[in-house]
Amino acid sequence: EIVLTQSPDTLSLSPGERATLSCRASPSVSSVYFAWYQQKPGQPPRLLIYGASTRATGIPDRFSGSGSGTDFTLTITRLEPEDFAVYYCQQYGSSSLSFGGGTKVEIK
Amino acid sequence: QVQLVQSGAEVKTPGASVKVSCKTSGYTFSKYGVNWVRQAPGQGLEWMGWISGHNGNTAYAQKLQDRVTMTTDTSTSTSYMELRSLISDDTAMYYCARGGGVVPTVHFDSWGQGTLVTVSS
Repeated sequence: EIVLTQSPDTLSLSPGERATLSCRASPSVSSVYFAWYQQKPGQPPRLLIYGASTRATGIPDRFSGSGSGTDFTLTITRLEPEDFAVYYCQQYGSSSLSFGGGTKVEIK
Repeated sequence: QVQLVQSGAEVKTPGASVKVSCKTSGYTFSKYGVNWVRQAPGQGLEWMGWISGHNGNTAYAQKLQDRVTMTTDTSTSTSYMELRSLISDDTAMYYCARGGGVVPTVHFDSWGQGTLVTVSS
């Protein structure tokens, strides 16, 4: 089973600042099978990034994904008020899919 | 537009079973699969399993494979998830999400609204 570890648990930032979220995979994952999701309170998750770096339909370009193998990153260049939420990474490269534990991006 | 609409909240006693439905629309059911994901209160996401809309093949999380069954009704484009021998730790929001049609190794691009299952004596 592939274990995904996200860091930090919580990121306290102000609107307009840059957010950098990390996800480490053990063992490694092909970047083809890696995604990021955003979840706001009371809502289902929403797909942001798939294939490690491809934005999903309708996702603004302030969101970007990068990485390969064991280390992946989600970057939000300038935080908007609606970006404060919990973010999950996911691998879907094996028949047993898995999510990271999540990073909460909160307003400082 | 793509929609996944889930059945309503359930309250069950320990040892019982629950069956949650996920009715899909806006796309060709047989070209995609349905994944089931649960989220305990205040916790993260846990993948439960996947069922193909093409041929009914399934892949279950090892932790749940003895208690979960996923099925589809192609005539109504609906997927079902049944969880048996419920315990209090099964209390969670249960989501369905669209994924791969032939293999489970595809991202989840649309989600249902969630079904709250509460297990309590």
